[in-house]
Amino acid sequence: KQEVTQIPAALSVPEGENLVLNCSFTDSAIYNLQWFRQDPGKGLTSLLLIQSSQREQTSGRLNASLDKSSGRSTLYIAASQPGDSATYLCAVLTAGGTSYGKLTFGQGTILTVHP
Amino acid sequence: DAGVIQSPRHEVTEMGQEVTLRCKPISGHDYLFWYRQTMMRGLELLIYFNNNVPIDDSGMPEDRFSAKMPNASFSTLKIQPSEPRDSAVYFCASSFRVQGNQPQHFGDGTRLSIL
Repeated sequence: KQEVTQIPAALSVPEGENLVLNCSFTDSAIYNLQWFRQDPGKGLTSLLLIQSSQREQTSGRLNASLDKSSGRSTLYIAASQPGDSATYLCAVLTAGGTSYGKLTFGQGTILTVHP
Repeated sequence: DAGVIQSPRHEVTEMGQEVTLRCKPISGHDYLFWYRQTMMRGLELLIYFNNNVPIDDSGMPEDRFSAKMPNASFSTLKIQPSEPRDSAVYFCASSFRVQGNQPQHFGDGTRLSIL
């Protein structure tokens, strides 16, 4: 059964700082890995999707990397802003076994960027 | 193009009552997913459909929960009878197919409170 872990659980940084969020997963047979953002009381917004054959994806100040063999991904946020404050969720779409076709989520990292 | 539409946005009801949550997926998407989010357990997949057929319902917590997809544009998640521990945010998501480059798109969720 696929398991996803995110570290740290919470992170507080001053505005302007670069930061890294970490995600690890136990089953490397995946189709893709997605990073989502969730604002309080809101739904999930997809930030980046990395296919299993890719190493990284970039969107603006966000860069996500994937090392499938070691079961790890990182989300790098450059020059953080208060508007980046949210919960960031990592999820993997598993390609085999009992978790086939299922998107398994980590518990999330709560990010606070203070002015 | 409209996203995934869920209704109602909020539901407050008394223990023992029947609750029906509704979802309209993005047109053309073959897969529909129901998730539940709680503080303790995070986001969990309850059930998913492919072309209106339930594929995996192993995440459905009890027989009190049931889900249907009578056609490609509508799905329901029903809880009968409801209990206070069912209080959570329920998300519906859809995707074109289950493969590397296809993200899941989430609705805004239904916040359910069982008194």
